Amino acid sequence: EVQLLESGGGSVQPGGSLRLSCTASGFSFDRYAMSWVRQRPGKGLEWVSAIIASGRRSQYIDAVKGRFTISRDNSQNTLFLQMDSLRAEDTAVYFCAKDTYSMTWSYFDSWGRGTLVTVS
Amino acid sequence: NFILTQPHSVSESPGKTVTISCTGSSGSIANNYVQWYQQRPGSAPTTIIFEHDQRPSGVPDRFSGSTDRSSNSASLTISGLQAEDEADYYCQSYNSSNVVFGGGTKLTVL
Repeated sequence: EVQLLESGGGSVQPGGSLRLSCTASGFSFDRYAMSWVRQRPGKGLEWVSAIIASGRRSQYIDAVKGRFTISRDNSQNTLFLQMDSLRAEDTAVYFCAKDTYSMTWSYFDSWGRGTLVTVS
Repeated sequence: NFILTQPHSVSESPGKTVTISCTGSSGSIANNYVQWYQQRPGSAPTTIIFEHDQRPSGVPDRFSGSTDRSSNSASLTISGLQAEDEADYYCQSYNSSNVVFGGGTKLTVL
């Protein structure tokens, strides 16, 4: 059974930093692209960033480019999101999502339960 | 960036059929797969339709997906509505640059 467990969320002041982690199990982590998707309070889903299986290519939405960095450690089956220069509008639940492909981002077949980031 | 537009909300009675639309802003929505996710309050999303019209194992066949090139839209149809279907539904697609979600549709089962 695929399991994705996010951690690292919490409260931080504007301008601060947080590092989210997503620990994966139940599948070959190094064979799939991974994404972070966020959901602001009372709002819809918003894709934030993705990284291909090898870790050699990544993508971000404009709102977080230059502030967030996605990475992965395939030896530890873990996905990361380093979040710097945080803003109030980054307040959201952040979900880790497993892609169905390895070499690109496309769509998701498994999701974590999310971790709440509050910037205030 | 392309945009996916969904109705904000729909409602229908138990046992009836409801359809949720997802309209693409540009290009052809059929060029890249459309997915649908269900999200109940306080829970993570789950995939109910992938690759336009495929159901993951465990998803009832009351849920079906389709695309219409003429209107550049995709649709999620839920038949035999049940109280447990009350949730938010999101369409999603992608291109080489990014992944896009529709704004979400709140389904109320009356």
